[in-house]
Amino acid sequence: EVQLVESGGGLVQPGGSLRLSCAASGFTFSSYEMNWVRQAPGKGLEWVSYISSSGSTIYYADSVKGRFTISRDNAKNSLYLQMNSLRAEDTAVYYCARLRFSRDFDYWGQGTLVTVSS
Amino acid sequence: QSVLTQPPSVSAAPGQKVTISCSGSSSNIGNNYVSWYQQLPGTAPKLLIYENNKRPSGIPDRFSGSKSGTSATLGITGLQTGDEADYYCGTWDSSLSAWGFGGGTKLTVL
Repeated sequence: EVQLVESGGGLVQPGGSLRLSCAASGFTFSSYEMNWVRQAPGKGLEWVSYISSSGSTIYYADSVKGRFTISRDNAKNSLYLQMNSLRAEDTAVYYCARLRFSRDFDYWGQGTLVTVSS
Repeated sequence: QSVLTQPPSVSAAPGQKVTISCSGSSSNIGNNYVSWYQQLPGTAPKLLIYENNKRPSGIPDRFSGSKSGTSATLGITGLQTGDEADYYCGTWDSSLSAWGFGGGTKLTVL
C-alpha cells in the first residue's frame, strides 16, 4: 500500500525557517517524481515545488522561489522541503504528492500544518 | 490567481447530474493532460480522473471527464450526498514550467 506521511509542521515566527519531511513507503520511491502542494485555510490547492526521480530537475512556484528548497534522499525514501524567510501567507497545510508519469498526482499524504505567526 | 478557471460552486439534487468546467489556455489544458481531484471535508485530495477521461481503480463510473481544446469538464451522474466535496482540475503549464490547479468548485447535493 502506498503511503506518504508528512511531518515537521508547526508554529513559526515570520522570517523563520522550517523543514518538512515526507516519508514514503509501499512503492519504489526512487522511480517517481514528487511534489509539494499546499492549501491555505479555506482556500484552494497551490502547487509549490517539483523534483524529478533522480533529483536533477527541480521547479518552484514563483511565490516560493528563492525561499524554499526541495530535496530528496532516495536511500531513505524521503522527500524534504526546507522553508526559509517564512511569511504569514505561507500558512497552509502542506501535502506531499506523488506524480504519475509526469501527468497527475495519484497519491497524497495527509498533510502537515504550517502556521507563520508572531 | 489560479491558472485554471472553475466555477466556485455548483449544486443539484440527489440522483441528478452535474458538470464542472475548467477553462485554461493553449499552454496548459490545450497541450497537456488534465486531471481532477476530489477533496472531502477535512481530508487530503484524491485523484478522481487522470489523463483527461480515465478513472483510477475504485472510482465509480458515475464520474467522467472530457477535454476539448482549452477546456475540460468533470461530470457526475446519480448524485449522492457523499459526493459533497470540493473538486479541483489540474494540469501542467508548459509556459510557466509549473503545475496549475483550478480554484476549486464546491459541490452541494441539495
